[in-house]
Amino acid sequence: AQKITQTQPGMFVQEKEAVTLDCTYDTSDQSYGLFWYKQPSSGEMIFLIYQGSYDEQNATEGRYSLNFQKARKSANLVISASQLGDSAMYFCAMRVAGANSKLTFGKGITLSVRP
Amino acid sequence: NAGVTQTPKFRILKIGQSMTLQCAQDMNHNYMYWYRQDPGMGLKLIYYSVGAGITDKGEVPNGYNVSRSTTEDFPLRLELAAPSQTSVYFCASSPDPTENGNTGELFFGEGSRLTVL
Repeated sequence: AQKITQTQPGMFVQEKEAVTLDCTYDTSDQSYGLFWYKQPSSGEMIFLIYQGSYDEQNATEGRYSLNFQKARKSANLVISASQLGDSAMYFCAMRVAGANSKLTFGKGITLSVRP
Repeated sequence: NAGVTQTPKFRILKIGQSMTLQCAQDMNHNYMYWYRQDPGMGLKLIYYSVGAGITDKGEVPNGYNVSRSTTEDFPLRLELAAPSQTSVYFCASSPDPTENGNTGELFFGEGSRLTVL
């Protein structure tokens, strides 16, 4: 079974600074994908970034980057130059390869950006 | 291109009532999912489907039923509503993750907030 662990209860960051949101995962599969989603207070789920287990480079999407450390089974999200609009809940998720695979989500981390 | 559409957005039910949450997608995705999100928590998978006519249980299927008669629609049925089913329900779809180039990213609806009193 797959498991995603997000243990930071809540994070605070000053506007314009960088912040790292932690995610560790557990799987015995070799082929899998890792995802980060953002959920603002309005409630919708917004896809941010994806990292495949065989990708050699860390994924980047604008101000978002994924610090992928395969041996440590961690997939931390780094947000650079934080903005007030980054205040939201952030979920890490994983899907293992296969026809019946589905996304397993962590419990999420609340990020608050201070002006 | 509407993406994933869920109805209703809000609903209040009395204990023991039944209802169906509707979900439709126009992206021709084979994979569809229903998740529930309890306050301050992550998403838990209720049911999913990898194609029309195929459904399977997720982590928390008790008290729910689904059907998948078409690629587009994936309704979630609540029978005999209970207060424990008070939650926000998300429908999502994804392209086939086994096909080359597909990450299996989920595309979500806006959510349906259900309260059972």
